[in-house]
Amino acid sequence: AQSVTQLDSQVPVFEEAPVELRCNYSSSVSVYLFWYVQYPNQGLQLLLKYLSGSTLVKSINGFEAEFNKSQTSFHLRKPSVHISDTAEYFCAVSDWKFQGAQKLVFGQGTRLTINP
Amino acid sequence: NAGVTQTPKFRILKIGQSMTLQCTQDMNHNYMYWYRQDPGMGLKLIYYSVGAGITDKGEVPNGYNVSRSTTEDFPLRLELAAPSQTSVYFCASSPDGSEAFFGQGTRLTVV
Repeated sequence: AQSVTQLDSQVPVFEEAPVELRCNYSSSVSVYLFWYVQYPNQGLQLLLKYLSGSTLVKSINGFEAEFNKSQTSFHLRKPSVHISDTAEYFCAVSDWKFQGAQKLVFGQGTRLTINP
Repeated sequence: NAGVTQTPKFRILKIGQSMTLQCTQDMNHNYMYWYRQDPGMGLKLIYYSVGAGITDKGEVPNGYNVSRSTTEDFPLRLELAAPSQTSVYFCASSPDGSEAFFGQGTRLTVV
């Protein structure tokens, strides 16, 4: 069964500094990988996803993540953060089998706090 | 553009009571999921469905039941509510497992 580990429960950074949120997964088959963001008192929204092809994927608001199969990682990065990036971020994995994607499993979440 | 709709938004239950959390989606998605979110624990998958008539257990199914009689609806049933079921519950749907769309959540307190 697949599983996801987010290595940091909280990450405080200063505005305009770079940030990396770490995510490792385990799975015995091909995977789809996702990062979701949750703002206070809201549901989750998709930030970016890796399904196939280029291992570097980007979001419209400057985040990017790289699929590293050998290290089973999918770390999220942003070169310069803004106050509005303050949120909780979740990494997720879905096994892919010939009959399609299977259950979608999430990590524990990383709370990103941006300080002015 | 309703997307995924969950009802109710809030509910307080007494120990031993039962209730159904409703989830409906209008995007004709095959996949639907139920999660619970507890502080510091992330989202735990309770049950999921890959199509009408097909359901399967997730990571934490005990104490819950689901059904999927139509593509649109995926209700979650709690029998004999316990304090450990106090949580925020999220329903989500996906066309094919490639992206999930979430509802706004149901905050449930069992006292």
